[in-house]
Amino acid sequence: DAKTTQPPSMDCAEGRAANLPCNHSTISGNEYVYWYRQIHSQGPQYIIHGLKNNETNEMASLIITEDRKSSTLILPHATLRDTAVYYCIVKSEAAGNKLTFGGGTRVLVKP
Amino acid sequence: NAGVTQTPKFRILKIGQSMTLQCTQDMNHNYMYWYRQDPGMGLKLIYYSVGAGITDKGEVPNGYNVSRSTTEDFPLRLELAAPSQTSVYFCAVRDWEQPQHFGDGTRLSIL
Repeated sequence: DAKTTQPPSMDCAEGRAANLPCNHSTISGNEYVYWYRQIHSQGPQYIIHGLKNNETNEMASLIITEDRKSSTLILPHATLRDTAVYYCIVKSEAAGNKLTFGGGTRVLVKP
Repeated sequence: NAGVTQTPKFRILKIGQSMTLQCTQDMNHNYMYWYRQDPGMGLKLIYYSVGAGITDKGEVPNGYNVSRSTTEDFPLRLELAAPSQTSVYFCAVRDWEQPQHFGDGTRLSIL
């Protein structure tokens, strides 16, 4: 599975958009980009995933570059409850679909 | 998390004791996973199962055993507890081409 690179931490102002980058330069054609977050040692929470096209759901938007070597998770209006560690994972749908978690980005939303 | 139940939530063991961490799901999903998370680190896969009667090793299986006799249950057993197994353990489930959904975790301390 392709590895990902994320900044270790970032701050965001409450009410502003949070843009979380992720590099995955070795991603292969059949690998999806997944985003999860973990709030204060709770179980990871699925946010969004995509293959090629940009995706949006009620939680966030995912922008994937045309060459698929990087992506950005956008939280449109960050709230204090969005403070968490955010993990970017690339994964194929091969048997097992095992997730490999890196260090993630620790996001602190400040009032 | 609705659908994935882990018990117990907390446990303290003495070195050399054994115990079983329980994971039960009511989502009728074929895939189930066990992860551990050490302080400040990402999750690491211990074992996974693609269906009843089928299990396979993940990244860190040593010291653990699993079984999958039913779709609903995927217990994780520690036979001889060691301090290095102090961690938070998460169970996850998923259906084909769907994201993984995690339980709330079991916090295990071995003294």
